[in-house]
Amino acid sequence: QKEVEQNSGPLSVPEGAIASLNCTYSDRGSQSFFWYRQYSGKSPELIMSIYSNGDKEDGRFTAQLNKASQYVSLLIRDSQPSDSATYLCAVKEGKLIFGQGTTLQVKP
Amino acid sequence: EAQVTQNPRYLITVTGKKLTVTCSQNMNHEYMSWYRQDPGLGLRQIYYSMNVEVTDKGDVPEGYKVSRKEKRNFPLILESPSPNQTSLYFCASSLMTGYNSPLHFGNGTRLTVT
Repeated sequence: QKEVEQNSGPLSVPEGAIASLNCTYSDRGSQSFFWYRQYSGKSPELIMSIYSNGDKEDGRFTAQLNKASQYVSLLIRDSQPSDSATYLCAVKEGKLIFGQGTTLQVKP
Repeated sequence: EAQVTQNPRYLITVTGKKLTVTCSQNMNHEYMSWYRQDPGLGLRQIYYSMNVEVTDKGDVPEGYKVSRKEKRNFPLILESPSPNQTSLYFCASSLMTGYNSPLHFGNGTRLTVT
């Protein structure tokens, strides 16, 4: 069965620090990788997508993909309390599969 | 504004009383899908549709029905709701099923079945 694994957390970081969120996946044929942010009681919101090995940066967010290791990560620089949310990793190979999410807490 | 609209946002009902949750998108997306989200279980796909009149089961389809008569609408039907269907439901759509088409989610429907 295809799986996407994330540490549920919570991951707690101080304001201004770098938050590192990790995700592993089981299907080597996976083509696309997404990070969604979900505030409590709200809908998931796409924040990053990455399709090839390496890093992709967008503002304070950097997605990193290593297909050989079947590993995708999200770095949030200069973390803010408003970044406190659950971050869902999603992997697509035909079907889109979500991890259970990592809860991030940014302490002022 | 491009969006996926679900209604209602909150719904409390009793066991066995048929209900429909509506979903509409204004982005001309081909692909639409329903998910339920439960604590500890994450997002699980109920049904999906790749185009008009084309629907298929996801991971947890039991107790649910869908239809796709028009491209923009994809209602979720619970013919005889049961308490184990109490959950947070999301409708989502994407332009196509290709690998670089991310999902856009509606605001969610919190359903309670007593």
